[in-house]
Amino acid sequence: DTGVSQNPRHKITKRGQNVTFRCDPISEHNRLYWYRQTLGQGPEFLTYFQNEAQLEKSRLLSDRFSAERPKGSFSTLEIQRTEQGDSAMYLCASSLPGQGKGEAFFGQGTRLTVV
Amino acid sequence: GQNIDQPTEMTATEGAIVQINCTYQTSGFNGLFWYQQHAGEAPTFLSYNVLDGLEEKGRFSSFLSRSKGYSYLLLKELQMKDSASYLCAVVSGYALNFGKGTSLLVTP
Repeated sequence: DTGVSQNPRHKITKRGQNVTFRCDPISEHNRLYWYRQTLGQGPEFLTYFQNEAQLEKSRLLSDRFSAERPKGSFSTLEIQRTEQGDSAMYLCASSLPGQGKGEAFFGQGTRLTVV
Repeated sequence: GQNIDQPTEMTATEGAIVQINCTYQTSGFNGLFWYQQHAGEAPTFLSYNVLDGLEEKGRFSSFLSRSKGYSYLLLKELQMKDSASYLCAVVSGYALNFGKGTSLLVTP
């Protein structure tokens, strides 16, 4: 399968614990995005990487969230001191370079439940 | 700021045509995407518009008017499998900014 891969698919954690998710984009895609989606809502932009550089980060993103893409390939999203409000589907997407165009291909997501 | 509006829900009959509207007010504009998302699955790409006009792709067409901040997705010959959420997303800067999505129910 050469699509966007996310691990784990599901994560249940206790409030206050740290969690880390991984995203492996399509191999030739240098653009990588993280989104969060809750039930009945559209995906909410979190952050964007071009190669290893984090070029954009949502102002809504708490300091508890951090993302990395150390070698410009896979990316990780870490949430520290999780809260119940962090429960959501975390989606990763990747795309080819190009102003505007270059549709984003989404992974299946990691569903986080904070109890 | 970003403001993208879509109807929350729509219902249509199998074989019919349905139009899903999207209006937007964004601080920048580099194109508009439509995605389809079935329950519990990832969004999948349907169409992209950056210039005014109609883009046709099989049973699906998408229209854009930049001056009006308006787009629509037209689905023809509806099938039961078209029941899904349809997401309008505007490219502003680097990010795809999504609306809340329109949940379409296709009935027999």
